[in-house]
Amino acid sequence: AQTVTQSQPEMSVQEAETVTLSCTYDTSESDYYLFWYKQPPSRQMILVIRQEAYKQQNATENRFSVNFQKAAKSFSLKISDSQLGDAAMYFCAYRSLNSGGSNYKLTFGKGTLLTVNP
Amino acid sequence: NAGVTQTPKFRVLKTGQSMTLLCAQDMNHEYMYWYRQDPGMGLRLIHYSVGEGTTAKGEVPDGYNVSRLKKQNFLLGLESAAPSQTSVYFCASSYGRPSGTEAFFGQGTRLTVV
Repeated sequence: AQTVTQSQPEMSVQEAETVTLSCTYDTSESDYYLFWYKQPPSRQMILVIRQEAYKQQNATENRFSVNFQKAAKSFSLKISDSQLGDAAMYFCAYRSLNSGGSNYKLTFGKGTLLTVNP
Repeated sequence: NAGVTQTPKFRVLKTGQSMTLLCAQDMNHEYMYWYRQDPGMGLRLIHYSVGEGTTAKGEVPDGYNVSRLKKQNFLLGLESAAPSQTSVYFCASSYGRPSGTEAFFGQGTRLTVV
């Protein structure tokens, strides 16, 4: 079974600075997707960024980028130029691509609570 | 542009009472899921469905039942609520095939069992 580990329960960053959230995962599969979701106080789960495991290039979405290290099974999220609106719980998630396997579900880490200080 | 809609948003139950949470999606997704979120635990899968008329157990299914009679709806039932079921419940849906891949979430239901 796949597991996702976020080792930082809480992080803080100064507004306009850069912060990196860590995520590691354990899998025996070669084809999968990885995601970062953001959950602000409104509780809504918002997709921040996704990474296909077969792509070597790291995904980027505006101020958000990932450092995907497949061999190390590491998937960190970098937030540049942090804004007050980035304050939220961030979840790392894994989804298998293997048909007939566990591709039906997302497996989540326990989350990292990000505080942005003005 | 409704996406995934959960009802109700909040509920307080007494121990032993029953209730049903409704999830509706308008994206023609094959897969639907119920997760619960507890502090420090992330999101844990309760039950899921890969298509109309099919359901299966996730990681924490005890005390819950589900039904998917229509493709767009996924119901989560608590037959006899317990305080341990106090949680925030999320419904999600996604395409079955990997294209698209991400799950879309409802806004959550905060359930308190007293």
